[in-house]
Formats: sequence, structure tokens, C-alpha cells
Amino acid sequence: SAVISQKPSRDICQRGTSLTIQCQVDSQVTMMFWYRQQPGQSLTLIATANQGSEATYESGFVIDKFPISRPNLTFSTLTVSNMSPEDSSIYLCSVERTGGQETQYFGPGTRLLVL
Amino acid sequence: LAKTTQPISMDSYEGQEVNITCSHNNIATNDYITWYQQFPSQGPRFIIQGYKTKVTNEVASLFIPADRKSSTLSLPRVSLSDTAVYYCLVAQGGGATNKLIFGTGTLLAVQP
Repeated sequence: SAVISQKPSRDICQRGTSLTIQCQVDSQVTMMFWYRQQPGQSLTLIATANQGSEATYESGFVIDKFPISRPNLTFSTLTVSNMSPEDSSIYLCSVERTGGQETQYFGPGTRLLVL
Repeated sequence: LAKTTQPISMDSYEGQEVNITCSHNNIATNDYITWYQQFPSQGPRFIIQGYKTKVTNEVASLFIPADRKSSTLSLPRVSLSDTAVYYCLVAQGGGATNKLIFGTGTLLAVQP
């Protein structure tokens, strides 16, 4: 398994501002992902955080709104830019280790409320 | 990526065995079947993964028929703490980028 931490665990923000969420893993991993889970909903993949290159975004998500960094194999950040109340969600990072059957391990999530 | 279909919710009582079935008619040859558990205010937690036949670990069993178009997660003797949302996913294994597409999940409510 992998130990994943996220900061902050929760935040309340004003509309129009930006928040950067950090994801730290206790060991090097090949793949890191960012998900969003809106209240009462399932998880939606935002993007794959690629080490050393630009993130790969899923349909409906763009870099200007959700810039992602991944400077090394244990760390990534997701920024939620120019926030609106519709951005209120839980944001989760996950990591994947290869080697046999791949499974993803999820962080605890960052609960964001935008007023 | 194969789409999955599972019941929205299930009810059970403590001590019972719970079986949650998931349909994945379009599963590809390289796809593995994975189940996650999510408690409120937590990230999903990996439960079990399989490719075919039966897989068992300390938490659950996973039954996969020969055609692999469905799978059943079996939780033996559930307790109140097993109340959670259970997600069935299929995704490529074998070294491919493993994007996970989450469906609606099944909310399991265990009652005393």
C-alpha cells in the first residue's frame, strides 16, 4: 500500500480566489491522479499528473481552471482557480504502483467549500 | 473503458453475508475488476481485485464467471462498520495507464 497525505484537509474560500491542494506520497510512484467528488456523487477523474510534463486532462476539465504540478515522483499539487460555489467538492489524489496487478490508493481528500 | 452497473443501494443486518453484483458487459480482455469501499469523508479504499474465477482475501471474496461480464463481491458476516459505498470498476491492467472510471456505487446499509 501507500501512505498518502493531503493538505489542507478542508478549507472555506471566497469566490474568485484560488486554492492549491498538496498531495504527498511516502514513496515514489509512477502515476498520480486527481479526482473530484461533488456532494452525494461518485468520483470524477480530473487529470493524470505526469512527472516532468504537463498533466493530461479529462473531458470537461482544463488547465486554466485546474493547473497541476508534479515536480517529482512523490508530490503533486492541484490548484482550483477563480473558484465559484460550484467548485465546492472533495478533491482527492490517488497514486498507482505498477508491478503485477495495478491498484490505486487514495488520499484522505480535501473538502472545499466556496462561499 | 468498460461501464459498470450495480444496484444503487442494499440493506442488510449484522452477521449476514452480503453479495453485491456488478455488470460489465463490455469488459475487455486486458481489464481487471476492482472493488473499492468508501466511508463518508474518506477516500476510497481498495478491497479486492480479480481477473477471472474466484479471489479471496481477509476482507472479501470476488466471484467472476467465465464470461467475465459480471462479478460479485461477497462480504461475509457484515457488521455495522461495513456500512459504506462500494464501487465496482474495470480498468486495464498489465502495465497500461490505469484510469479508473467510477460508477454510481452501491450504498450498503447494515442495521443491528
